[in-house]
Amino acid sequence: DVKVTQSSRYLVKRTGEKVFLECVQDMDHENMFWYRQDPGLGLRLIYFSYDVKMKEKGDIPEGYSVSREKKERFSLILESASTNQTSMYLCASSLAAYEQYFGPGTRLTVT
Amino acid sequence: QKEVEQDPGPLSVPEGAIVSLNCTYSNSAFQYFMWYRQYSRKGPELLMYTYSSGNKEDGRFTAQVDKSSKYISLFIRDSQPSDSATYLCAMNKGAQKLVFGQGTRLTINP
Repeated sequence: DVKVTQSSRYLVKRTGEKVFLECVQDMDHENMFWYRQDPGLGLRLIYFSYDVKMKEKGDIPEGYSVSREKKERFSLILESASTNQTSMYLCASSLAAYEQYFGPGTRLTVT
Repeated sequence: QKEVEQDPGPLSVPEGAIVSLNCTYSNSAFQYFMWYRQYSRKGPELLMYTYSSGNKEDGRFTAQVDKSSKYISLFIRDSQPSDSATYLCAMNKGAQKLVFGQGTRLTINP
């Protein structure tokens, strides 16, 4: 069974803090993704990585950065958290083009 | 205009009903068409995928793709309360990046 784990289920941070969201997958997948999910907007891709140390911007990369130093781990960094980054953050990994495996999500609240 | 449009609902039907969920899209280059199911407080999981046009059946679920109309559907027969979830359509051009619809929240009432 593929497993994608995320470091926290719930997180509360203050405006201006640097925030790290961690994601780990155990299936040796090349590709990893970070999305945010907001009511009425669906899933929007922030960044993805197709190999260690490789990354590409998704549709909404502003205010975020990522790090992939090891194949199994993909980190999302909010350099200076703002209230409009309050959201559900979902990590995913994939091997095939049609199937992504998602983690349980981190609900981040920025106050 | 969004590349993928999906009615967010909510949709509420009685147990045993046939459910029809739909998405339209604008990019004719899309090749893979997926349906993901997301239960409350969980991440989405792949339910079915179709490559190019046609139908695919898996138990009570049928996925249809009509590329000429740029329209995809998911049918659920004999719906059960356990089918209550948000259903997201997704598609791509063969690359890894997926484009998702907004998701439709479905409730099956016993």
